[in-house]
Amino acid sequence: QKEVEQNSGPLSVPEGAIASLNCTYSDRGSQSFFWYRQYSGKSPELIMFIYSNGDKEDGRFTAQLNKASQYVSLLIRDSQPSDSATYLCALRGGNMLTFGGGTRLMVKP
Amino acid sequence: DAGVIQSPRHEVTEMGQEVTLRCKPISGHDYLFWYRQTMMRGLELLIYFNNNVPIDDSGMPEDRFSAKMPNASFSTLKIQPSEPRDSAVYFCASSGEAKGYTFGSGTRLTVV
Repeated sequence: QKEVEQNSGPLSVPEGAIASLNCTYSDRGSQSFFWYRQYSGKSPELIMFIYSNGDKEDGRFTAQLNKASQYVSLLIRDSQPSDSATYLCALRGGNMLTFGGGTRLMVKP
Repeated sequence: DAGVIQSPRHEVTEMGQEVTLRCKPISGHDYLFWYRQTMMRGLELLIYFNNNVPIDDSGMPEDRFSAKMPNASFSTLKIQPSEPRDSAVYFCASSGEAKGYTFGSGTRLTVV
C-alpha cells in the first residue's frame, strides 16, 4: 500500500517568511508527485507537480523532490495570509493519486 | 470549461434513506474518481472509472455504496441505506492526462 505522510500542523509562519511543507512516502516506485491546496470548505486545487529529482519553481512556490530519501517538499516564499490553507501532498501510482493527510498552514500578518 | 460539476452541494438525510450524488466531469477527460473526505481519515479514494468502465472499486466501504457511469458526461454515487457514519464531503474528480486531477466542489452529506 502506498503511504504518504505529512505533519498535520498547524504550521504557523509570519507574513513574508518562507513556509516549508514536507511529505514522505513509502513506495520507491512512485514517479510523480503533486501538491494541492485546500481552503477551508473548498475543494483541493492543484498548485504544482514534480517528476524529477531536484527543484521546480513556479512563482513563489518551489517543489523539491528527493527520490533516494523518499521525500518531497513545498516551499512558499514571501508567505501571505491568503496562503493559509491545508496543503495536501499526493503521489501517483498508475492512474490513481494517493493523498497524505495534509498540513495546515497559518500565515500570520 | 465549467470544470467538474457536482450536485447537490449539500444533502441532509435521515438514516436509512437512499442518497444519490451526481457528477459531470470535464469534457474530454477519460478518468473519473470518487473520493470521500473526513477529518479522521482524510481523502479516501472510493472508486474510479476509465472510459466509463469501473477499474478499481476496492475503496468502496461496503455493499451499501454503488457507483455508475452510464456515459462520458455523467456519474452517480449511491448510498442505500445511508448511515450517520457516511457523513462526509464527497468529491468527484476527473483527469485526462498523466497529471493531477481537477476536483469538483464536493457534496457535503449529513446523515442524521
